Amino acid sequence: AQSVTQLGSHVSVSEGALVLLRCNYSSSVPPYLFWYVQYPNQGLQLLLKYTSAATLVKGINGFEAEFKKSETSFHLTKPSAHMSDAAEYFCAVSDKAAGNKLTFGGGTRVLVKP
Amino acid sequence: EPEVTQTPSHQVTQMGQEVILHCVPISNHLYFYWYRQILGQKVEFLVSFYNNEISEKSEIFDDQFSVERPDGSNFTLKIRSTKLEDSAMYFCASSVLDSYGYTFGSGTRLTVV
Repeated sequence: AQSVTQLGSHVSVSEGALVLLRCNYSSSVPPYLFWYVQYPNQGLQLLLKYTSAATLVKGINGFEAEFKKSETSFHLTKPSAHMSDAAEYFCAVSDKAAGNKLTFGGGTRVLVKP
Repeated sequence: EPEVTQTPSHQVTQMGQEVILHCVPISNHLYFYWYRQILGQKVEFLVSFYNNEISEKSEIFDDQFSVERPDGSNFTLKIRSTKLEDSAMYFCASSVLDSYGYTFGSGTRLTVV
């Protein structure tokens, strides 16, 4: 069975500082990994995805994530936080490209301080 | 950009009543899903639907739940006899067969009183 662990349910960063959100997964097969963002009262928006191509994946809004098989990690980073990055971020894993369920982590809520 | 549309955005219902949540997936997508998120908890998979039948369902998706694609555009989730613990945000999603990552709708917040 797959599982996802997001370390830290809440992260507070200053505007302009590095954002680092941690995600570790377990999967019995090569995984497909995703990061989603949820703004208040909105749905889940895909930030980026890893599908066994390049290990460093660039997404929208300046975010990127690096797949490290040896560490079973897929941490999300953004070099410089913006106030608009305040949201909840979810890491998810699937063992198929499509047509299979996503298993989500518990989410990390990001607060950006001015 | 194509969207997954969910209606209503918020539904309040009495315990024991039936509710139907509506979703219009993206038109060329072939896989459809329902997920739910109880307040403060993880997003959980309920069911996936492909080729007019359920392809996978979770243990949450018991006999009180059903899904249907009544026409070429809608995808519905029915909860037959709602319980207080069914209160959650319900997300519909769709994906193309050879794509990676779903498109989620903005959700229906179901409140059972």
